[in-house]
Amino acid sequence: DGGITQSPKYLFRKEGQNVTLSCEQNLNHDAMYWYRQDPGQGLRLIYYSQIVNDFQKGDIAEGYSVSREKKESFPLTVTSAQKNPTAFYLCASRGGDQGQPQHFGDGTRLSIL
Amino acid sequence: GQQLNQSPQSMFIQEGEDVSMNCTSSSIFNTWLWYKQDPGEGPVLLIALYKAGELTSNGRLTAQFGITRKDSFLNISASIPSDVGIYFCAGQLSAAGNKLTFGGGTRVLVKP
Repeated sequence: DGGITQSPKYLFRKEGQNVTLSCEQNLNHDAMYWYRQDPGQGLRLIYYSQIVNDFQKGDIAEGYSVSREKKESFPLTVTSAQKNPTAFYLCASRGGDQGQPQHFGDGTRLSIL
Repeated sequence: GQQLNQSPQSMFIQEGEDVSMNCTSSSIFNTWLWYKQDPGEGPVLLIALYKAGELTSNGRLTAQFGITRKDSFLNISASIPSDVGIYFCAGQLSAAGNKLTFGGGTRVLVKP
């Protein structure tokens, strides 16, 4: 099936640890995005990448890092510098012409032990 | 970063009722999108709007892109129990890397 796969579905992290969330897409989309969602709120942009080997900070990039070495993969690392990492993390991708909508994966819920 | 003003924050529906929600922004967008999110899942695209004034339907859903490009509404006609969930509007600006700016969501619940 074509789509966006996020793994794992649930992730636990100890204080002071870095953790990496996976996002893979087989839609041949150029652009990929990471969002954070807190309970009862909308989505906020962490990082985005419009093309391989290039990415830009979103609105809340502090404490996060990304890489885009392959078109189909855009992993997000939540570093120990992120003081409040517990949240639902959503990955999205977009292809085609300007203005085409983003489509989302099913998310990863990160909790601090 | 900017957030869109989405209202109402929550609403109760009774089966068969029509419901409406809207989003407003202080700045313009090229594209307005409406998503639905079920608990523990990612948002699913319902409707995409690309032109000011555009009115688009998807089954029982109808959405419009405001003439000023700063607002949009979504209507659900003859609601059914599976309409329960959280609906998000999002504005997309191609000049800004096609980043999405989201509303705070409208939580649709069933009347007890």
